[in-house]
Formats: sequence, structure tokens, C-alpha cells
Amino acid sequence: EAQVTQNPRYLITVTGKKLTVTCSQNMNHEYMSWYRQDPGLGLRQIYYSMNVEVTDKGDVPEGYKVSRKEKRNFPLILESPSPNQTSLYFCASGGAGAGDTQYFGPGTRLTVL
Amino acid sequence: RKEVEQDPGPFNVPEGATVAFNCTYSNSASQSFFWYRQDCRKEPKLLMSVYSSGNEDGRFTAQLNRASQYISLLIRDSKLSDSATYLCVVPRRNTDKLIFGTGTRLQVFP
Repeated sequence: EAQVTQNPRYLITVTGKKLTVTCSQNMNHEYMSWYRQDPGLGLRQIYYSMNVEVTDKGDVPEGYKVSRKEKRNFPLILESPSPNQTSLYFCASGGAGAGDTQYFGPGTRLTVL
Repeated sequence: RKEVEQDPGPFNVPEGATVAFNCTYSNSASQSFFWYRQDCRKEPKLLMSVYSSGNEDGRFTAQLNRASQYISLLIRDSKLSDSATYLCVVPRRNTDKLIFGTGTRLQVFP
């Protein structure tokens, strides 16, 4: 079954404790991206990747890191989480670029205390 | 001005009604735009792609007006299961980035 998986689905952590949210897709897509969704602000792109070892900033990259060592995986790293990073996070993958259908993971609800 | 703007709603309509949403955009020269559907706090899923010639899929019709920079979504014969938030998505000009509207909420009642 074609899918995008994210883990964990729910996470409560404390300020400053490094965390990683994993994302994996089995559709051989080149394009992957991370979004955060906040009430009244919609989905905002954090980072995206056009292919292995190629990543670029989205609109809200501050406080986040990503890596793309393998085509299928695109983890999101918060080196020192802060309360303003409390949000709902979605990973997505989509063909060769932004113009292709995007398939989203189920989301990760992160709370930073 | 936001790059992608949508009326947040909610649109409350009875079953069987026809409802239309608009989305205005700027800063895009893309050939294709998108409507995604999002159920409460779940992942967005593609509803329709929108091309210059428009697109129709059953009860759903999407149209693109480049001159006025807006995209529309028409839902005919609304069903209870159409209740969701509809997101307008626009590729940003000269980038590989996608811009999402904040969504329009639809509530269909019996």
C-alpha cells in the first residue's frame, strides 16, 4: 500500500530536549516536505527536499533541521525545542516536485512544555 | 496581502445544496493548482487538480481564472460526507514551494 508514515504520532516534551520526527515513504518519490499547521495560519512549509542530499528552506525553517540521506526517509529534527514549536506537523511526498500530487502522513502532534 | 486567500467560512448548507468556494492567489505562474480536503485535524488529501481548462469529477468542478487570479470549487448535491475543510494550494512562482490557503470549512446538515 502506498503510504507516508510518521513517528511518533503524539509527543509531549520539554523545552530544550532534542527530538526527531521520522518520515518515510514507499512511493519512490523524489520530492518530500515538512509542514506545520497552526490555527488560523494553515499549513506552512518548513523544509523540502528535491532529492537525496538536496534540501531547502521553506517559509518557516527557524528552529528545525532536516536530512535526506536516503530517498525514502526525511526526518525532521528539533535541536532545542521551544513552546512556540507546539504544533501539528505533517510530512508529505509527491512525485518529482511541488506540481505533483502530494501525499501526506497522518501527522505528529507535538507539545513542548 | 496573503499569497493565497480563502474565505474561512464556515459554510453551513443543507444536503442537496450547491456550494461554491473561491480562492485568490498572487505570485504564481503555475500551470496547475490544487484543492485538498482535510477532515478534522487529519492529513490533507488531494481532491482535485485545477488546470487552465478546468476540471470536473462527478459532483465537483474546479475552475481557474488566470486573469483575475482565482480558483473556484463548486460542489453540487452536497452530502453529509462532504463536511470538511477545503484547502486551496498554489505553487509559488519560480520555486519548488507550495503555498496553502488557510482553508474553507464546509458543514453539510441533514
